Amino acid sequence: ETGVTQTPRHLVMGMTNKKSLKCEQHLGHNAMYWYKQSAKKPLELMFVYSLEERVENNSVPSRFSPECPNSSHLFLHLHTLQPEDSALYLCASSQQNRDYGYTFGSGTRLTVV
Amino acid sequence: GQQLNQSPQSMFIQEGEDVSMNCTSSSIFNTWLWYKQDPGEGPVLLIALYKAGELTSNGRLTAQFGITRKDSFLNISASIPSDVGIYFCAGPPFDFGNEKLTFGTGTRLTIIP
Repeated sequence: ETGVTQTPRHLVMGMTNKKSLKCEQHLGHNAMYWYKQSAKKPLELMFVYSLEERVENNSVPSRFSPECPNSSHLFLHLHTLQPEDSALYLCASSQQNRDYGYTFGSGTRLTVV
Repeated sequence: GQQLNQSPQSMFIQEGEDVSMNCTSSSIFNTWLWYKQDPGEGPVLLIALYKAGELTSNGRLTAQFGITRKDSFLNISASIPSDVGIYFCAGPPFDFGNEKLTFGTGTRLTIIP
């Protein structure tokens, strides 16, 4: 497999559920990102991991919990979400200090009911 | 935080028409990137610009890095149905580290049959 792979592609969860989104990159990049894309809003940066360390947390509520066990994998753990958290969650990776060509995954479409 | 304003927000054109869109910022950028997002997918990098005044083409797409470093333009010539999607500008603002990009609000392109 090449590029950035996100699973699942679609997820419907209740407000009391716990679920995780997974992202895997096969590009040898050293930085990974979580973005949230809601309707009619710009892409919102949530978390940045550089060399497996979290370097950015953009005031994201604690019901979203990222995990980066190694440079190829990134998770977003979800618990007690709200309906307004329904959105497309995009993972991206890049090679820092080279160029700014983020490679995005296809995203997970999350619906909170 | 930083904001990139894209214009127009949406465009409805006929196949074969040329398309122009732009992106402006209140602060200077070192790099301008243009991405396209197909429905249900993540954004894909189309063109990267690294120098003020630079004009770069990718097939029917041409993008320019504005002289002031606060704007960029994307043109699509002779549009075809697969050009439908959302076009985003992005860049790392001058005073930010290269760990993250700021994305524009997007221009949604629709082709009328």
